[in-house]
Amino acid sequence: AQSVSQHNHHVILSEAASLELGCNYSYGGTVNLFWYVQYPGQHLQLLLKYFSGDPLVKGIKGFEAEFIKSKFSFNLRKPSVQWSDTAEYFCAVNRYSSASKIIFGSGTRLSIRP
Amino acid sequence: NAGVTQTPKFRVLKTGQSMTLLCAQDMNHEYMYWYRQDPGMGLRLIHYSVGEGTTAKGEVPDGYNVSRLKKQNFLLGLESAAPSQTSVYFCASSYGGYGTKTGELFFGEGSRLTVL
Repeated sequence: AQSVSQHNHHVILSEAASLELGCNYSYGGTVNLFWYVQYPGQHLQLLLKYFSGDPLVKGIKGFEAEFIKSKFSFNLRKPSVQWSDTAEYFCAVNRYSSASKIIFGSGTRLSIRP
Repeated sequence: NAGVTQTPKFRVLKTGQSMTLLCAQDMNHEYMYWYRQDPGMGLRLIHYSVGEGTTAKGEVPDGYNVSRLKKQNFLLGLESAAPSQTSVYFCASSYGGYGTKTGELFFGEGSRLTVL
């Protein structure tokens, strides 16, 4: 079965700390990869995406993610977090051969101490 | 431009009652989705549709039915609600097809359903 794993369920950081959230998926073959963010009380919105090309992808608000095919990983990073980054972050994957079926990980809750 | 609109936003049901959640999008998207969000479990795909008149099962389809009679609307039905269906339901749509727009989902604001 397809699966997307986010091993960090809750991460607590101080402002200005660096962030890395893990995401691993279990499919072989070509995949599209996404990170979505859900701010408190809001719906999900796209943070960044990877389809092909440069495995280092830059998104909004200073976030970036690196696709490492050999490790089936797509980790999210930010060099210096802000209090406003407090949110839940979801990794999502779809297989290129089944573009319509998008599967999400269980999410990582990020809490930033001011 | 409303994007993706879900109704109702809140609903309380008794076990065994039925209800329908409506999702409407005005972006002319081909693909539409219903997810449920539960604490610690992320978003799980219930059903999805790749075009008008089509539907397909996702990860957790049991107890739900869907219909896509019009391209802009995607309905999620619960025929006999159970407490295990207490959740927040999100509708989403996407451009569909292959290419750089594939998989970029646009979400509604969610519908919180409680089944007593």
